[in-house]
Order: sequence, then C-alpha cells, then structure tokens
Amino acid sequence: AQKVTQAQTEISVVEKEDVTLDCVYETRDTTYYLFWYKQPPSGELVFLIRRNSFDEQNEISGRYSWNFQKSTSSFNFTITASQVVDSAVYFCALSEAYNTNAGKSTFGDGTTLTVKP
Amino acid sequence: EAQVTQNPRYLITVTGKKLTVTCSQNMNHEYMSWYRQDPGLGLRQIYYSMNVEATDKGDVPEGYKVSRKEKRNFPLILESPSPNQTSLYFCASSFLAGTSTDTQYFGPGTRLTVL
Repeated sequence: AQKVTQAQTEISVVEKEDVTLDCVYETRDTTYYLFWYKQPPSGELVFLIRRNSFDEQNEISGRYSWNFQKSTSSFNFTITASQVVDSAVYFCALSEAYNTNAGKSTFGDGTTLTVKP
Repeated sequence: EAQVTQNPRYLITVTGKKLTVTCSQNMNHEYMSWYRQDPGLGLRQIYYSMNVEATDKGDVPEGYKVSRKEKRNFPLILESPSPNQTSLYFCASSFLAGTSTDTQYFGPGTRLTVL
C-alpha cells in the first residue's frame, strides 16, 4: 500500500524567509510519480510538479525547488524568499506508474503555509 | 485555452436523487481522475481512467460510478446520493506519460451538499 506523510501540519514564516515543506512516501513499486500541488485560500487546486521515480535530478522553477531523494523516500519542496501569495495548503502525492494500479493516487494530508508580511 | 470544466459548480440535493457531475477536458489527455476533499480527511481518489473505456477504482469508490466513452468526458454519477457524499469534488486530467513539467489540470471543483 502507498502512503504519503506530510509531518508538518502548519508552518508560519515571515515574508522573504525560505521555507521547506517535507514529504515522505512509502511504496513497494519501483516506478512511480511524485507530485506537489497548491491549494490557495480561493480553493482551486494548482499543479506544481510531477517527478518520475527514475529521475532524481532536483528541479528549480523560479523561487520553487524540489529535492527528490530516493534513498530516504523524500520529495521535499522549498520556497525561497517566500511571499504572502505563497500562503496556501500544499499537498504532496504519489501515483503508481506502470503496474496494474497505474494511475492510482495517494495524497498527504497537506501542509498549511502562512506567510506573514 | 487548455482547461478542465466541471458542472455544476454548486449543487444542493436530497438523499436518493440521482445526479451527475460532468467533467470535460479539451487537451486530448488520456488520464482523468475524480477526487473528493473533506475536512480532516484530505484529498482522496474516487475513480480514475487511463483512457477511453478504461476505468479503475480509487480509494473511495463506494456510491459512485463513472464512464469514459469519449476521451474528453469523464462524468461522475451518484446513483443514490447520501449525506456522507457531501463534499468538494475535483476532476483532473493529464497525459499518461510525459516530462516532469507536463501539467496536470484540475477543474474548478464542485461543492455538493446532500440533505
């Protein structure tokens, strides 16, 4: 069975601070996808990134970066120089890739990030 | 414009009255999925589809049906809604295989209340 753990329920930072959101996953599959999503106070879900399990390269997109470490089953998300608009709930998720359950997704409980001005 | 549309956006209904929430995408995506979001329970997958005529159960399929007769549409059917299906529902679509930056798109959500 798959499991995604986001141990940080809530994080509060002051604008311009860097913040890292942790995500630890469990799966018996050797091939899978990892995701991060953002849900701002307005309620919509926004896709941020999908990472294939065979690609451990770290990813940077503007102020966002992701650190995928297969050895520790972690896929952490860092926001550099946080802004008030980054305030949202962030979800980490895992999806099986190629076996009979390909496409089945499991989400973490989410981390609520509050960025204060 | 690339988008996933869901209808209705809001619905209040009564127990037992069949309803369908539509989901449509215009990006020729193979993969589509339905999720529900509940306070304290997070996001949970209901059903997903890898392509036309290929649907599979997620973690919470009980009380729901889906169909995928055309690539663009993936309706969620509640044959006999009950109050425990009161929730916020999201539809999503994406390509099956692609680069890490291929975007997954979500619909705006449907807030369903079953009395």
